[in-house]
Amino acid sequence: GAGVSQTPSNKVTEKGKYVELRCDPISGHTALYWYRQSLGQGPEFLIYFQGTGAADDSGLPNDRFFAVRPEGSVSTLKIQRTERGDSAVYLCASSWDMWTNYGYTFGSGTRLTVV
Amino acid sequence: GENVEQHPSTLSVQEGDSAVIKCTYSDSASNYFPWYKQELGKGPQLIIDIRSNVGEKKDQRIAVTLNKTAKHFSLHITETQPEDSAVYFCAASRAVNAGNMLTFGGGTRLMVKP
Repeated sequence: GAGVSQTPSNKVTEKGKYVELRCDPISGHTALYWYRQSLGQGPEFLIYFQGTGAADDSGLPNDRFFAVRPEGSVSTLKIQRTERGDSAVYLCASSWDMWTNYGYTFGSGTRLTVV
Repeated sequence: GENVEQHPSTLSVQEGDSAVIKCTYSDSASNYFPWYKQELGKGPQLIIDIRSNVGEKKDQRIAVTLNKTAKHFSLHITETQPEDSAVYFCAASRAVNAGNMLTFGGGTRLMVKP
């Protein structure tokens, strides 16, 4: 597609529920990144993929968070047993690959609210 | 790990004036420094970037300078316009072997008054 697409744009869920956030990267981009942005702060790294494999998941806050990219294109960020502190905007970005310094293209994000 | 600090947190200028945003970083191995503009309800958009092998880069009204010795870099916007109003983020990356994972500053809210 023309840009990075994230769905849903907004998600409200109850504490303790499971949520999935989807990211469609730009066609041909092999690197995909997930960031989390709390209100009034800069994005914080969660995980990135080169192709199908998670090259670095050191930013995932705990084992309730998991992400997959089974076919090297679409990625899903999964959050189990959601907590109110998980409320934030989850941003996805893609780039040509992880070895060159090309800038990312970010999606518009999914605003997650845990009530 | 890398730590990026950004100043000021808010900046108000008159249309036509210049705006300068400054960032410092801690990891001397960082070699890629992009700047992003984020408008309300949208994701960050790359506006300019600089690599550690150059000291300055310019693109129309926007320029970035890098001082590797002091570990700081700055964004300069000249002839500001109301549409420049947004939140600006600097970032740093070791890139290549580190997979271009970005560490962002806390952001600067720029307001351009007409």
